[in-house]
Amino acid sequence: EPEVTQTPSHQVTQMGQEVILRCVPISNHLYFYWYRQILGQKVEFLVSFYNNEISEKSEIFDDQFSVERPDGSNFTLKIRSTKLEDSAMYFCASSETGLSGNTIYFGEGSWLTVV
Amino acid sequence: AQKITQTQPGMFVQEKEAVTLDCTYDTSDPSYGLFWYKQPSSGEMIFLIYQGSYDQQNATEGRYSLNFQKARKSANLVISASQLGDSAMYFCAMREGFPNQGGKLIFGQGTELSVKP
Repeated sequence: EPEVTQTPSHQVTQMGQEVILRCVPISNHLYFYWYRQILGQKVEFLVSFYNNEISEKSEIFDDQFSVERPDGSNFTLKIRSTKLEDSAMYFCASSETGLSGNTIYFGEGSWLTVV
Repeated sequence: AQKITQTQPGMFVQEKEAVTLDCTYDTSDPSYGLFWYKQPSSGEMIFLIYQGSYDQQNATEGRYSLNFQKARKSANLVISASQLGDSAMYFCAMREGFPNQGGKLIFGQGTELSVKP
């Protein structure tokens, strides 16, 4: 079964450092998303990406965040200057276009710990 | 504004019994989709089942079924014949608009299900 893959699975970083989280969406999917889940809380939407541009972003997705699709397969989330409150699980997700795009698949997540 | 409510923070069920996890939603968009995900202790988000707002039949996927009551704005997940491996956090989520519009998911707070042997 095709899957969304994320790297790294876990990263510890110093406050103020830049972090890049990487994702390889399912190959025929064209919508990509990043979500985050602070420990013990619900999953929150960060940003959606379609046709090489951001289609929607949440209030959480401020200037310290950016997304990029640098090649035909990878989709990255960059956090420019990490804060303690950025510690969370970050999920990448993807879905097809068309009316069959009713399944949104998530990767296994990247745990980010900011110290 | 769209909203998802899961009122059961935790549930217990005996192995082999059925269990219903509640989810209510609120939206003004006539087109929307409802999703259920399972999150085991390892952390990944596993897609379980989907119901579109225009679907006439309740969705089923193996032991999972979705009890969709549109007038009451509820989309409860029913797990039949519970197994120990079903112990996990379960999230209900909603996306407004048609599937080809790629809208974001809004999640509920989750229900932690524990299956007793």
